Amino acid sequence: QSVLTQPPSASGTPGQRVTISCSGSSSNIGSNYVYWYQQLPGTAPKLLIYRNNQRPSGVPDRFSGSKSGTSASLAISGLRSEDEADYYCAAWDDSLSGYWVFGGGTKLTVL
Amino acid sequence: EVQLVQSGAEVKKPGESLKISCKGSGYSFTSYWIGWVRQMPGKGLEWMGIIYPGDSDTRYSPSFQGQVTISADKSISTAYLQWSSLKASDTAMYYCARFDEVAATGFDYWGQGTLVTVSS
Repeated sequence: QSVLTQPPSASGTPGQRVTISCSGSSSNIGSNYVYWYQQLPGTAPKLLIYRNNQRPSGVPDRFSGSKSGTSASLAISGLRSEDEADYYCAAWDDSLSGYWVFGGGTKLTVL
Repeated sequence: EVQLVQSGAEVKKPGESLKISCKGSGYSFTSYWIGWVRQMPGKGLEWMGIIYPGDSDTRYSPSFQGQVTISADKSISTAYLQWSSLKASDTAMYYCARFDEVAATGFDYWGQGTLVTVSS
């Protein structure tokens, strides 16, 4: 059971806009930045969004992040076949002595 | 070019010890945290712990505290993840990743992963 809750799957057709949610609590998303990672099949994760809504250089502006209260979401517009991957949210959790927590991951299928 | 290069795949028996490595290059190794992430077969990412090679400050996930040891040798820009007695349930892919606490840019560079298989 992950500390951050994501839907296990999402899907869309090419060109569509899809969103992936990530729900947490006051000790993680509610008080810290949210990060999103993309993991293509058989590869290491890749940073997609940092500090809630910032894109690293090289990440297309089709990807966007937002946060409100104890929830966050990742939006992908103009869906492409190469976006088919697993997506994970992450945040620092202030409980105990502090530690990073990940969501369980969402498998995005491009139909 | 920033790179994190991890040691190769390992096949071990239950009860054996293991130390895997993650060598950083192309940046100031002592100025960034290095974290370790586990991914069991067909499962999601789990954060294990993190070390700051500059002063060896180390933090562990409550789930992994006491189960593994994270260390670093800044003289050779290498971080380590070790087990004293492996279990079959340690079978997984392990990733290292760099984190900039000041800029809060997330785990921005990742190693290629080290596959650990524990089987009798």
